[in-house]
Amino acid sequence: EVVMTQSPATLSVSPGERATLSCRASQSVSSNLAWYQQKPGQAPRLLIYGASTRATGIPARFSGSGSGTEFTLTISSLQSEDFAVYYCQQYNNWPPWTFGQGTKVEIK
Amino acid sequence: EVQLVESGGDLIQPGGSLRLSCAASGFTVSSNYMSWVRQAPGRGLEWVSVIYSGGSTYYADSVKGRFTISRDNSKNTLYLQMNSLRAEDSAVYYCARVFLLGYYDSWGQGTLVTVSS
Repeated sequence: EVVMTQSPATLSVSPGERATLSCRASQSVSSNLAWYQQKPGQAPRLLIYGASTRATGIPARFSGSGSGTEFTLTISSLQSEDFAVYYCQQYNNWPPWTFGQGTKVEIK
Repeated sequence: EVQLVESGGDLIQPGGSLRLSCAASGFTVSSNYMSWVRQAPGRGLEWVSVIYSGGSTYYADSVKGRFTISRDNSKNTLYLQMNSLRAEDSAVYYCARVFLLGYYDSWGQGTLVTVSS
């Protein structure tokens, strides 16, 4: 099973600032990595797939990078609606599909 | 428009059984890989089960032998039969479409299962 580790657990950022979230895989997952955003009481929403491709309707301020075992999600200028929990997920070796434990982006 | 609507969550005693449903619209369940993913209160996301378009099924070790995923093609609906429920099965259960054999592009709103005496 591929273990996904996200850091930090919580990120405090002011609106308008840049946020950088990290995700590490216990073994290479190539570029088979997705990012999701989840707000309280809502289902997760797909942001990024293929490590760097934005899903339909996702603003350009969200970008993903990385391959192999190290990945980054960057939010270039945080908007109020971006404060949420973000999860990475690998889909290179499945089943099982595995998720990171999440990074909460909160208002500083 | 792709839509997934779960139902069937409830408060159930340990050892009990429950069947969750996920009604799909805008696409054909049987032509896709479909999964159940759960989230315990205040916790992260955990993959539970998948059914392939060909009908093969797989389960997380934590539910193997207790849960069964299935679908009804005539109703375009996905199911999760949960038996021998434990307190640690308490979670919001989401159904999700697995797109391009990997990531989840569509999610339902979730249904809450609480296992408690």
